[in-house]
Amino acid sequence: GAVVSQHPSWVICKSGTSVKIECRSLDFQATTMFWYRQFPKQSLMLMATSNEGSKATYEQGVEKDKFLINHASLTLSTLTVTSAHPEDSSFYICSAGTTQYFGPGTRLTVL
Amino acid sequence: GENVEQHPSTLSVQEGDSAVIKCTYSDSASNYFPWYKQELGKGPQLIIDIRSNVGEKKDQRIAVTLNKTAKHFSLHITETQPEDSAVYFCAASKGSGGATNKLIFGTGTLLAVQP
Repeated sequence: GAVVSQHPSWVICKSGTSVKIECRSLDFQATTMFWYRQFPKQSLMLMATSNEGSKATYEQGVEKDKFLINHASLTLSTLTVTSAHPEDSSFYICSAGTTQYFGPGTRLTVL
Repeated sequence: GENVEQHPSTLSVQEGDSAVIKCTYSDSASNYFPWYKQELGKGPQLIIDIRSNVGEKKDQRIAVTLNKTAKHFSLHITETQPEDSAVYFCAASKGSGGATNKLIFGTGTLLAVQP
């Protein structure tokens, strides 16, 4: 299947700082990518749909000013968690492709 | 909005037995139903999917069945092996591309295959 990568695989940051997570489709182009968040022992919750060359579409309850999404090319989408707080600690996963392939995820821990 | 229910939440089977996980969706417009396997600390891995124009699909030890009338779909794993142990998620969507392709996930099933 298609390959989706994420970087970094894990990150620890201090409260109040911003963290950027990258999602790349390695062997195909993706005009649309999706960002999910997963808390321990829970299911995946869609945060936003990332659209190449246009604004992201956020799900209800997700703060667009806190979770900034940029989809600047057909192979790269970034999620920036701004002014991170401990409650933002989670597993962030992206997906891409018409048949959605998922990245390996990024574990964010905010101290 | 769309809701996907998944049962059971945990399932323990003996190696070699079969495992069945069931999901129910609410939106009759849903037309794509993938199943994912997620191992601890990793992203979900697509293991099989089915579209609404098909009633059953099989890939070696894994099969998925779809009942559109009842809005049910199920994952069947035969001859289970310890390496099948993981969390399995069903999902549903109602598009074939773009933003309409967003997936609504079930709550997950923790499958434990006892050697």
